[in-house]
Parts: sequence; C-alpha cells; structure tokens
Amino acid sequence: KQEVTQIPAALSVPEGENLVLNCSFTDSAIYNLQWFRQDPGKGLTSLLLIQSSQREQTSGRLNASLDKSSGRSTLYIAASQPGDSATYLCAVRHGTASKLTFGTGTRLQVTL
Amino acid sequence: EAGVTQFPSHSVIEKGQTVTLRCDPISGHDNLYWYRRVMGKEIKFLLHFVKESKQDESGMPNNRFLAERTGGTYSTLKVQPAELEDSGVYFCASSQDGFSRGSTDTQYFGPGTRLTVL
Repeated sequence: KQEVTQIPAALSVPEGENLVLNCSFTDSAIYNLQWFRQDPGKGLTSLLLIQSSQREQTSGRLNASLDKSSGRSTLYIAASQPGDSATYLCAVRHGTASKLTFGTGTRLQVTL
Repeated sequence: EAGVTQFPSHSVIEKGQTVTLRCDPISGHDNLYWYRRVMGKEIKFLLHFVKESKQDESGMPNNRFLAERTGGTYSTLKVQPAELEDSGVYFCASSQDGFSRGSTDTQYFGPGTRLTVL
C-alpha cells in the first residue's frame, strides 16, 4: 500500500527566502508525481507534474525534482513571496492505476 | 476554458438525510475522479470514471455512496443515508485520456463541496 509523507507539516519563512518542501513515498513503482497548492477554502491548483522517467520539472520560480529509486520528491520555491502562502500537497499515481495517493501537505506561510 | 465545477459549495444536513453532490468536468475530459478529505486526514480517492463507466471504485467507503456519470458528462455522488463520519470536503477532478500518446494526465481539481452532517 502506497503511503505518502510530507515534511515539514508547517513552515514559516520571511519573504525572499528560498525553500524546499519534501515528499516521500513508500512504493517506488510510480507512474508520475504531481505537486498542488491549496489556498484556504479553495480547490487544488496543479503546479507541476513529473513523469516517472523524468528527474525534474520547472515552472517559473518552482522546481520539482524526483528521485524514484529513493522514493523522494522535493519542491523548491525560489525567492518566496507572501502570495506563495498556501498548503502544498504532493500526490503520486501508482503504476497503471489512475488514482492519486496524497500526502497530508505542508502549510507554508511567507511573512513580510 | 471553464475548469472543473462543483455544486453545491456547502451542504449542511442532518444524519439520516440524503445529499447529492454534482461535478461538471472540463469539457472533453473522459476521466472523472471523486476524492474526499475528512477532518485532519489526507485527501483520499473514492472512484474513477472513464466516460460513463466506473473504472475503479475501490475507495468507496460503503454502499451508502452511489456515484453516477450520465452520458459521460457530469457526475453525481449521492450519500444515502448520511452519517456523521461522512462530513468532509468532497473534491472532483478530471483529466484527459492519460494513456494516449502525447496526452497529459494532469488531474484538474474543482473547488470542492464541504459537507457537514449534524
């Protein structure tokens, strides 16, 4: 059974800092991994999707890496801004099944 | 292009009543998923439709939950009768055909329906 863990559960950083969010999964036979953000009371916004054959994906100030063999992914946020404050979720798609298995998320607060 | 929409945004019902949640996927997306998050827990998969067919319903908690997808378009999730432990946020997501060459299988989520059972 796939289990996804995200560390830390919460993080507060001052504006301008670079930061790394961690995601680990127990079964390395994944099809892809997706990072989302969720703002309070809102739905999930897809940030990046990494296929199992890829090592990283970049979008603007975001960079996600994947090390499938060790069961880890990181989301790097450069030059953080208050607007980045949200909960960040990672989710893995296992093998040929389409369902996503989610972590519990990291709640990020970027302060002025 | 409109995203995934869900109705209602909030629903408060009493134990034993029936509630029906609706999801409209992104136009042209064959895949439709239901997930839910109960208080303090991670988001968990409920079921997956491909067009009008149930592809995977391994996450459905019990037979009080019934999902349908009429004509492969919108989907409904009915809870009957509702119990206290059904409270949570129900998310719907959709994606293109994830197994076709060149397709993207990013799942796009709706805003969710917050269900409170009293």
